[in-house]
This record gives sequence, structure tokens and C-alpha cells, in this order.
Amino acid sequence: NAGVTQTPKFQVLKTGQSMTLQCAQDMNHEYMSWYRQDPGMGLRLIHYSVGAGITDQGEVPNGYNVSRSTTEDFPLRLLSAAPSQTSVYFCASGFRSQETQYFGPGTRLLVL
Amino acid sequence: GNSVTQMEGPVTLSEEAFLTINCTYTATGYPSLFWYVQYPGEGLQLLLKATKADDKGSNKGFEATYRKETTSFHLEKGSVQVSDSAVYFCALSDKEDGGAQKLVFGQGTRLTINP
Repeated sequence: NAGVTQTPKFQVLKTGQSMTLQCAQDMNHEYMSWYRQDPGMGLRLIHYSVGAGITDQGEVPNGYNVSRSTTEDFPLRLLSAAPSQTSVYFCASGFRSQETQYFGPGTRLLVL
Repeated sequence: GNSVTQMEGPVTLSEEAFLTINCTYTATGYPSLFWYVQYPGEGLQLLLKATKADDKGSNKGFEATYRKETTSFHLEKGSVQVSDSAVYFCALSDKEDGGAQKLVFGQGTRLTINP
């Protein structure tokens, strides 16, 4: 199993550009989520999904879109990047019947 | 809403020292509690967890006890090693109806162990 994979590892954007952060898991997990990690603030939940076709907002959803067309994939889209979105982004997944979640290696995003 | 507060870092210790990282929480229900660890350049890994009051989670020599009366889940290790250098996150799960398991994290504590 590859576990949770994220691409790219690092990305530089200019303000106003759009991009998609990819997340995939091969463990047949129903639950997937996106967090952002900022210094001194821990991780904050952006969006989550409890299964294909179902998504919901977390604590800091503004400026981000998600979709879940398959069990395996959960991409995060930035429609118009802003410097405030400079952060490290983590994808996580888990079974709905269990509380343990598995994290990907992260994507470091710099918005200039 | 639910929240988690960790002791301020960074924490620097010598090898074989005793470690305590404090964590307290605020929750309306009966959450599960977790410690996650992030080694340099990597994602988060579950270190240990406890699902109800008085449960003790343990792994790799680390321990934490779920104390409902003090709303705490302090992380301890009797003798730290250089390889324990990492960022440690305390978290709780806010499990909703339907199975969504949203984690609420503390701010993280950076631990450095010197040989």
C-alpha cells in the first residue's frame, strides 16, 4: 500500500493564480480531509468528506473548493491564490468506524 | 467550541531526561484524545490515543492518561532519545453523527533532544 499520497511536494504561485493539490489513498477509507498547518496554530480543518459525492466545510473553508468523485481521490482547489494561503497542506484519511487517521507527507505552498 | 491547548515550545532536553508535554482540552461531549508526532520533513503519525476517561495510551515508551477531572492528556516519557526530536501535537476528535471525525489540534510543541 502506498498509503496517503500528495502532489506536488512544493509549489510557488503568484497571487490570483489557481491550482489543484492532489490527494489519493489506496486503503479504501471512506473519510478524507484537508488541513492547513501554520506556525503556532497547529492544524486547522479546511474541508472533509465522509464518502464519494459528499463533502462539507471545516473551520477555514474560504478560498478553497473540494470534490469527491471517487473513494480514492480528494483534490483541493485554490481558485484565486492569496498570500494568506501560504501554508503547508496535509491530506488525511480514515475509516468511518475508526478514529485513527492517516496523514500524507504534505504540500508546501508559497503564494507571492 | 472544542479546543486544545498545549504547552509553549520549543522544549530542549538532554538525552535520557524525563519528558512532560502538557495538554488540556475543552469539549462539550466525550471526545477521544490523541498525540500525533511529526518528524522533520514528514507528515503526522499517530503516536497514541485514549478513548475514554482514565484510559492510558502508550507507544514507543510514551504514555498519556485521559483525565476527565482535569481535562488533561499530558504526554510523558521516562528517558528521551535523540530520535525523539520532533513536533508533537495533542488533538481531540469531534465525532459527529454520520461518522465524520474532525480532529481539533493544539498548536504543537517542538522537542529537541541533545546528545
